[in-house]
Amino acid sequence: AQSVTQLDSHVSVSEGTPVLLRCNYSSSYSPSLFWYVQHPNKGLQLLLKYTSAATLVKGINGFEAEFKKSETSFHLTKPSAHMSDAAEYFCVVSDKRVGFQKLVFGTGTRLLVSP
Amino acid sequence: DGGITQSPKYLFRKEGQNVTLSCEQNLNHDAMYWYRQDPGQGLRLIYYSQIVNDFQKGDIAEGYSVSREKKESFPLTVTSAQKNPTAFYLCASSTGGGSSYNEQFFGPGTRLTVL
Repeated sequence: AQSVTQLDSHVSVSEGTPVLLRCNYSSSYSPSLFWYVQHPNKGLQLLLKYTSAATLVKGINGFEAEFKKSETSFHLTKPSAHMSDAAEYFCVVSDKRVGFQKLVFGTGTRLLVSP
Repeated sequence: DGGITQSPKYLFRKEGQNVTLSCEQNLNHDAMYWYRQDPGQGLRLIYYSQIVNDFQKGDIAEGYSVSREKKESFPLTVTSAQKNPTAFYLCASSTGGGSSYNEQFFGPGTRLTVL
């Protein structure tokens, strides 16, 4: 079965420092991977997605992620954190086998940004 | 603006009552989904619908029911059979077709609390 593991439940950074949110996936074939962001009491917004076209994927708000098959990882990075980046981030894999687009969510990483 | 609306934003229910959560989209999407979010557990799929007048159970359908009489609408009823209904409920939609690359667009959510 497809699955993702987010390695940190909380990450704390200072404003202006780099952000690294870690995600490992498990898949028996080439996966479709996504990162979504959720601000408090809001819905989810797509940051970026990997669809096998390029291993380095650029998203909105300066975020990017690199697909590394050898490490089964899809870590999310940003060079310089902003206060508005404080939110919960979900790594997601799409299960292709079931005939519809089933998204399998990680448990989330809460990003805290201090001034 | 196109998007997904959910109502109400907050809902309180007494034990033994059924309640219905509304989800409407004007994105002309064929597929719609309901998720439940609990702290530390990510999102779990309750029901999905790939086309009007058709819907299927997801991973945690017990105690829930849905209908899909119109393309734009996918209401979720939380019945008294759901033993632990207090959660944040998110509705999503996508263009469907079973592609694993499609983005799912999320509504702002409904927070249900059982008193």
